[in-house]
Amino acid sequence: AQTVTQSQPEMSVQEAETVTLSCTYDTSENNYYLFWYKQPPSRQMILVIRQEAYKQQNATENRFSVNFQKAAKSFSLKISDSQLGDTAMYFCAFIVIKAAGNKLTFGGGTRVLVKP
Amino acid sequence: DTGVSQNPRHKITKRGQNVTFRCDPISEHNRLYWYRQTLGQGPEFLTYFQNEAQLEKSRLLSDRFSAERPKGSFSTLEIQRTEQGDSAMYLCASSWGATSRGDEQFFGPGTRLTVL
Repeated sequence: AQTVTQSQPEMSVQEAETVTLSCTYDTSENNYYLFWYKQPPSRQMILVIRQEAYKQQNATENRFSVNFQKAAKSFSLKISDSQLGDTAMYFCAFIVIKAAGNKLTFGGGTRVLVKP
Repeated sequence: DTGVSQNPRHKITKRGQNVTFRCDPISEHNRLYWYRQTLGQGPEFLTYFQNEAQLEKSRLLSDRFSAERPKGSFSTLEIQRTEQGDSAMYLCASSWGATSRGDEQFFGPGTRLTVL
């Protein structure tokens, strides 16, 4: 079975500060990708950042970066210079790449509140 | 707007009634997924289509649920004899199967179902 665990139900951060969200996962597969998705209140889910499991280099997208520790099966997200628009639910997810049918497995989410 | 669209956005129904939701994927995408998200949780996979073929169904998809994707374009998800436990957000996502990008899935805004 493949699982994703997010141990922090809620995090708050002051505007312009940095916050780190944790995520651990479990899989016996080798060919997979990891994602962080953002779900703002009453809005649709959008992809924040992706990481290929076979790449050691941590992915970065503007103010968002990850710390991928494959042996530990850990995949944390760092949001730097937090902005009010970063307030949202953040979901860690992974996908096992197969010939057909790549379903996402999500964690339970972390609610991030950015305070002015 | 050429994103994934879902209709209706909200549906309130009485227990025992049938409901049907529609998803229109991004036009170039041949893969379509349905997920269910209960309050405060991450989305859970329900079913997957490649073109018009339904290739995988979760054990969460009881016999009261049926999904179709005629002609490989839009998809419908029907729930018969609704129960209060069916109350959730139903999310649709589509992708073009680009495994080099982790088969990135684009999500619609969801249909929120409330069963009274």
